[in-house]
Amino acid sequence: LAKTTQPISMDSYEGQEVNITCSHNNIATNDYITWYQQFPSQGPRFIIQGYKTKVTNEVASLFIPADRKSSTLSLPRVSLSDTAVYYCLVGDPGGAGNMLTFGGGTRLMVKP
Amino acid sequence: GAGVSQTPSNKVTEKGKYVELRCDPISGHTALYWYRQSLGQGPEFLIYFQGTGAADDSGLPNDRFFAVRPEGSVSTLKIQRTERGDSAVYLCASSKWDRGHTDTQYFGPGTRLTVL
Repeated sequence: LAKTTQPISMDSYEGQEVNITCSHNNIATNDYITWYQQFPSQGPRFIIQGYKTKVTNEVASLFIPADRKSSTLSLPRVSLSDTAVYYCLVGDPGGAGNMLTFGGGTRLMVKP
Repeated sequence: GAGVSQTPSNKVTEKGKYVELRCDPISGHTALYWYRQSLGQGPEFLIYFQGTGAADDSGLPNDRFFAVRPEGSVSTLKIQRTERGDSAVYLCASSKWDRGHTDTQYFGPGTRLTVL
């Protein structure tokens, strides 16, 4: 399974754009990049998934360069409620089982 | 619609006791997963069900852990002779899972197990 590396923690202020970069040098051809968000005392929640280039939804954008060895989750204009742990995962969502392999995640702290 | 639910939300037990943790997946989701999350770490995969059968139990740490899903819906994770090291949050997730298509797992709030 492709290993991911992301910063342990990040701080930001309300209203700023936050970019969290994840490295996945050994990503395989069939692998997608998926980001989950987890608040304290809750299970992880799917944010966004992509294969290449750029994906945008109502919550975030995901930028993936051509070599796919890294990806960047972009959160526009964060608020205090975006304080959470963000996990970058790499895997084949169409593969048998599709069990998710989580790393340590990035703890984002948004300050007023 | 209703999400994944897990009961109990908290469970405190004594070392050596037996515990059962329940997961109610989203209706119609054929795939069900159990994960375990220790403090400060990401969730770790335990077992995966496709329908009623355990398709992959490679994440179960030892034979004290067992899970069932007899009717292809509700699942129960069973832990025998609990140890203090079993203390963690146990998460359940479900998905539609259809081979060949991207899939999203929906997680429940977890059961916090504390073994004294």
